[in-house]
Amino acid sequence: GIQVEQSPPDLILQEGANSTLRCNFSDSVNNLQWFHQNPWGQLINLFYIPSGTKQNGRLSATTVATERYSLLYISSSQTTDSGVYFCAVVGAGGTSYGKLTFGQGTILTVHP
Amino acid sequence: DAGITQSPRHKVTETGTPVTLRCHQTENHRYMYWYRQDPGHGLRLIHYSYGVKDTDKGEVSDGYSVSRSKTEDFLLTLESATSSQTSVYFCAISDRSGGNIQYFGAGTRLSVL
Repeated sequence: GIQVEQSPPDLILQEGANSTLRCNFSDSVNNLQWFHQNPWGQLINLFYIPSGTKQNGRLSATTVATERYSLLYISSSQTTDSGVYFCAVVGAGGTSYGKLTFGQGTILTVHP
Repeated sequence: DAGITQSPRHKVTETGTPVTLRCHQTENHRYMYWYRQDPGHGLRLIHYSYGVKDTDKGEVSDGYSVSRSKTEDFLLTLESATSSQTSVYFCAISDRSGGNIQYFGAGTRLSVL
């Protein structure tokens, strides 16, 4: 099946700093989503971005499907950005029924 | 947020007992999924459904069964709970296979003692 690798595994920032999280995937995808899991465990949809670039406030994401990677940018980080960021994909081959394969996540800690 | 309700939100049970987790949606989405989240493994797919009475296995389906008798409900059953099934369980829904967004419920934290 499709493999998803996220980097870095851990990231520690001071409030106000910028960061880039990376997601590499091993095959073509129909779906790529970025999630933020907050300290209460809730999975929050950030972006649905199988290709192209999107922005939402301080967050933006870019997926280069031909090179099989996606980047999540966080600018002017805040303590509320802390948590785990997951990339998840649905492989384009065969009948996938929309099954997401998750990366291991990036643990982000933002200090005041 | 998508209308997804998981119940119970927390459960403690003993090894060998049956356990059923419920996922209820109000979005009329066709596709429903059960994932489990464990430290070091991220989220992994247990079972999924692509319609009423249509279900199939995911990556980690051993020890679990599912049922979907109506569009809005997807049940996950642990026939005889084991300590290795201690985990956080998430339900997700989507309305189009492959190319559409999955939305997740709040999760159920299950402890098997």
